[in-house]
Amino acid sequence: GENVEQHPSTLSVQEGDSAVIKCTYSDSASNYFPWYKQELGKRPQLIIDIRSNVGEKKDQRIAVTLNKTAKHFSLHITETQPEDSAVYFCAASITGGFKTIFGAGTRLFVKA
Amino acid sequence: GAGVSQSPSNKVTEKGKDVELRCDPISGHTALYWYRQSLGQGLEFLIYFQGNSAPDKSGLPSDRFSAERTGGSVSTLTIQRTQQEDSAVYLCASSLTRNTGELFFGEGSRLTVL
Repeated sequence: GENVEQHPSTLSVQEGDSAVIKCTYSDSASNYFPWYKQELGKRPQLIIDIRSNVGEKKDQRIAVTLNKTAKHFSLHITETQPEDSAVYFCAASITGGFKTIFGAGTRLFVKA
Repeated sequence: GAGVSQSPSNKVTEKGKDVELRCDPISGHTALYWYRQSLGQGLEFLIYFQGNSAPDKSGLPSDRFSAERTGGSVSTLTIQRTQQEDSAVYLCASSLTRNTGELFFGEGSRLTVL
């Protein structure tokens, strides 16, 4: 079955710097790669996703890149702000009725 | 309701007791998931329901865990003979169709086994 590895487990950056979180997946059939943000005590919420037919997607300060050959995908946050502090989860799935498997999460601290 | 609803929000039980956790997905969502999140840990897949198909139970950690989904809507996760290691937040999520990726999570049920 699918296995998703996520690194680093903890990331601390200065406000205004960039943050990068990387994930690898094992099932070459996976074609949908979402990222979720979980603030302390809250539910995870989708922040951005990418499908396998594109290599990059941007939404304001957030971007995701996908390398299907290497089975890697990454989340990039630019101009980080204290409110970006949270746990970020990557995930992989096959659309069409299959389960979504999550990485272990990255705890991001943005220092003011 | 507007979102995924879970109950109870908090449950404290004694070791060996059975517990039931309930999830009410967003109306019309055909896919429903249960995940377990231990303190400071990731989202561990437990079980997945998709429409009327047989559920994917491959994540259930032992035969003490079971889940059902009645009428394609409400789901109940049952843990029998609870153990201390079952203490965690149990998150339910739903998605609109089998081809739609985004999961909408509930607030979770925090289970503490004494």
